[in-house]
Amino acid sequence: AQSVSQHNHHVILSEAASLELGCNYSYGGTVNLFWYVQYPGQHLQLLLKYFSGDPLVKGIKGFEAEFIKSKFSFNLRKPSVQWSDTAEYFCAVLTGGGNKLTFGTGTQLKVEL
Amino acid sequence: NAGVTQTPKFQVLKTGQSMTLQCAQDMNHEYMSWYRQDPGMGLRLIHYSVGAGITDQGEVPNGYNVSRSTTEDFPLRLLSAAPSQTSVYFCASSSITGRSMKNTEAFFGQGTRLTVV
Repeated sequence: AQSVSQHNHHVILSEAASLELGCNYSYGGTVNLFWYVQYPGQHLQLLLKYFSGDPLVKGIKGFEAEFIKSKFSFNLRKPSVQWSDTAEYFCAVLTGGGNKLTFGTGTQLKVEL
Repeated sequence: NAGVTQTPKFQVLKTGQSMTLQCAQDMNHEYMSWYRQDPGMGLRLIHYSVGAGITDQGEVPNGYNVSRSTTEDFPLRLLSAAPSQTSVYFCASSSITGRSMKNTEAFFGQGTRLTVV
């Protein structure tokens, strides 16, 4: 079965530190990849997405992610985090013939002042 | 734009009670789905629909029923609630091409926090 792995479950950073959250998936076909963010008490919002083309995609709020096909990875990065980035981050892969979105277990990010 | 609207936001049920979680979208999206979110488990797909009259099971369908009589609405029914169904439920919608969500994104509702005692 297809799966999505997020290896960092909890991350604590100081403001201005750099962020990289790992995401690996197990799916051999053409993929659509996503990162969603969930701020405390809120619903999921799309940070960025990869469908095709340039493997380095830029999203909102200064986030970017790089699709590395050979590593089945789609890691999320941000050069300098802010306190307001405190949230839970989910990687997701479109699977099941294109009609099932499979999520990772999430990474809880806490940014300290 | 309203987007995806879920009601209620909070609900407490007793074991064995039934209820329906409502989901409506105003984006004319063919695809709608229900997820449950549990700590440490991410979001898991319960049921989904690729259009009116068409539904299918996701990863964790047991204990839940769905129907899709209109494009806009996709209610989730709990026929006999169990404590294991305590969770946060999210509805999502997206456009599709054929029956595929490829090259589209999912839009999520605000969630329903359900507690079964």
